[in-house]
Amino acid sequence: DAGITQSPRYKITETGRQVTLMCHQTWSHSYMFWYRQDLGHGLRLIYYSAAADITDKGEVPDGYVVSRSKTENFPLTLESATRSQTSVYFCASSETGAGETQYFGPGTRLLVL
Amino acid sequence: SQQGEEDPQALSIQEGENATMNCSYKTSINNLQWYRQNSGRGLVHLILIRSNEREKHSGRLRVTLDTSKKSSSLLITASRAADTASYFCAHMIYNQGGKLIFGQGTELSVKP
Repeated sequence: DAGITQSPRYKITETGRQVTLMCHQTWSHSYMFWYRQDLGHGLRLIYYSAAADITDKGEVPDGYVVSRSKTENFPLTLESATRSQTSVYFCASSETGAGETQYFGPGTRLLVL
Repeated sequence: SQQGEEDPQALSIQEGENATMNCSYKTSINNLQWYRQNSGRGLVHLILIRSNEREKHSGRLRVTLDTSKKSSSLLITASRAADTASYFCAHMIYNQGGKLIFGQGTELSVKP
């Protein structure tokens, strides 16, 4: 039972490049989320999805794009990476609702040079 | 900001002692949750307490919720070195799309 996985686990890129972070869950949970974690800010919600083809902005969506064509996948794309997007990114899923128990992936550490 | 606040930011105790962490929030909530994060890992859900509940237990964990004071506490009894981690509270704002708002966490160090 793989649960929720993220890839890559580590990524180094340059300013201006497009980067896609992948998230895959095997539970068929309806809800999926992307957070970023930064020192001094805790976890902040970037985007979330209530079901396939339904996405909505979170607290810090600027510079990010998401899609959800399949229930199990929720990729996050940085269209033109900036240094301020250097962070640890966590994907999460929830079976019962956006405000209910969430299950987190292991995270992707992204460094933008 | 709707972000909750946690107190203390860091806590260092000896094995066997109890650890208490506090969380405050600003709005009416549907529920409040506590998560643990080990260094370099994702968050792990510990316990969820609903707004109509006052106390909840899970093993060595005890969570209380005081909606009149807009605060919650997490008590870990008889702590172990393996409890060393960051602990986050997260609350679901009442009738606002149900998203979770996370606090900045308490870093707990349990020394053997």
